Amino acid sequence: NAGVTQTPKFQVLKTGQSMTLQCAQDMNHNSMYWYRQDPGMGLRLIYYSASEGTTDKGEVPNGYNVSRLNKREFSLRLESAAPSQTSVYFCASSELMAGGSDGYTFGSGTRLTVV
Amino acid sequence: AQSVAQPEDQVNVAEGNPLTVKCTYSVSGNPYLFWYVQYPNRGLQFLLKYITGDNLVKGSYGFEAEFNKSQTSFHLKKPSALVSDSALYFCAVLYNFNKFYFGSGTKLNVKP
Repeated sequence: NAGVTQTPKFQVLKTGQSMTLQCAQDMNHNSMYWYRQDPGMGLRLIYYSASEGTTDKGEVPNGYNVSRLNKREFSLRLESAAPSQTSVYFCASSELMAGGSDGYTFGSGTRLTVV
Repeated sequence: AQSVAQPEDQVNVAEGNPLTVKCTYSVSGNPYLFWYVQYPNRGLQFLLKYITGDNLVKGSYGFEAEFNKSQTSFHLKKPSALVSDSALYFCAVLYNFNKFYFGSGTKLNVKP
């Protein structure tokens, strides 16, 4: 099925550990995004990649790095995890253009707990 | 700065009654407004959008939204709620044609 695939679905880390969240889309979309979702705060943009070869910071980039490996894949790395990074992480992709899109296609999320 | 506000954390409604989930926005330029729905342990799903044209926009699952420029609002509505409509609803504004800013979300509870 076409869509956005995120791995892993669940992860528990100890403070200071590192990990990479993987995201892949098979819709040939140019743009990809990483969001975090916290209770009462909606979704906040961490990083995005408007097209292959480019990445830009969103609202809350501190403590994260990203790699747009190719058109399909966009990974999010936590170099030294902190409890404040406990959240649900969503990857999304889109082919946004003025009025010509239904917005994002979201993955099913990665639930990360940092202890 | 672009932003959206959802003033209600939770909305409770009885099945069969009409429902409204509120959203107000603040954008520079013409607003591109969206509603998404999130079911438990799932990603967000597109419901409907307003780009231009008629102020009343119809979307998936019988939902509709009314764009009101003077009140800078984009409230989500449905004439008759179903228990299966219970979910988390997000209003969002599209900025620069490549980034969304999301509201904080409203949990809709539809009781039998």
